[in-house]
Amino acid sequence: DAGVTQSPTHLIKTRGQQVTLRCSPKSGHDTVSWYQQALGQGPQFIFQYYEEEERQRGNFPDRFSGHQFPNYSSELNVNALLLGDSALYLCASSPGTMNQPQHFGDGTRLSIL
Amino acid sequence: SQQGEEDPQALSIQEGENATMNCSYKTSINNLQWYRQNSGRGLVHLILIRSNEREKHSGRLRVTLDTSKKSSSLLITASRAADTASYFCGTIASGSARQLTFGSGTQLTVLP
Repeated sequence: DAGVTQSPTHLIKTRGQQVTLRCSPKSGHDTVSWYQQALGQGPQFIFQYYEEEERQRGNFPDRFSGHQFPNYSSELNVNALLLGDSALYLCASSPGTMNQPQHFGDGTRLSIL
Repeated sequence: SQQGEEDPQALSIQEGENATMNCSYKTSINNLQWYRQNSGRGLVHLILIRSNEREKHSGRLRVTLDTSKKSSSLLITASRAADTASYFCGTIASGSARQLTFGSGTQLTVLP
């Protein structure tokens, strides 16, 4: 049973470019959350998708957008990249019931030059 | 903004010793979860404790929760070198749709 998979594992972009990161949730999970983790910090919540809609959003600008597909996989898009967007981007999935842990992928390391 | 804050920021112990990490948070919660992160990897779930629970055990791990003090602790007994990692507490606030809010973590180093 595959866990959460993310692609690509590493990515290098320049300022002003756009990027798309992808996530396949653990089998049986219908909820996908995205987090940004700067070096030496804890993960910061970006947004959460459920039933193909953004259900909750953290304190991130509109440059960060996402999508969830009918098979529950998800994409994170970031436009007009800034140097400060350099971070590890983590995807986590969870089942529809409350009080269940989130399962994380190994992330995409995004570097902005 | 960060809901939880772990203490200490860094902890170094010898193999076989116990390690205790603390977490404080600010708002009412549905549950609190502890995760481990090895360098360059994703977070691995350790224990989830609900707001109406006071203590949970899993193998060498023991978690306590004091909602009156808005704090939790993670105890790792008989530590091993493989326990070296960063440990994070994440909270699900009451009324939240499962948004996890993390602190900055505790970096645990277990020396062989």
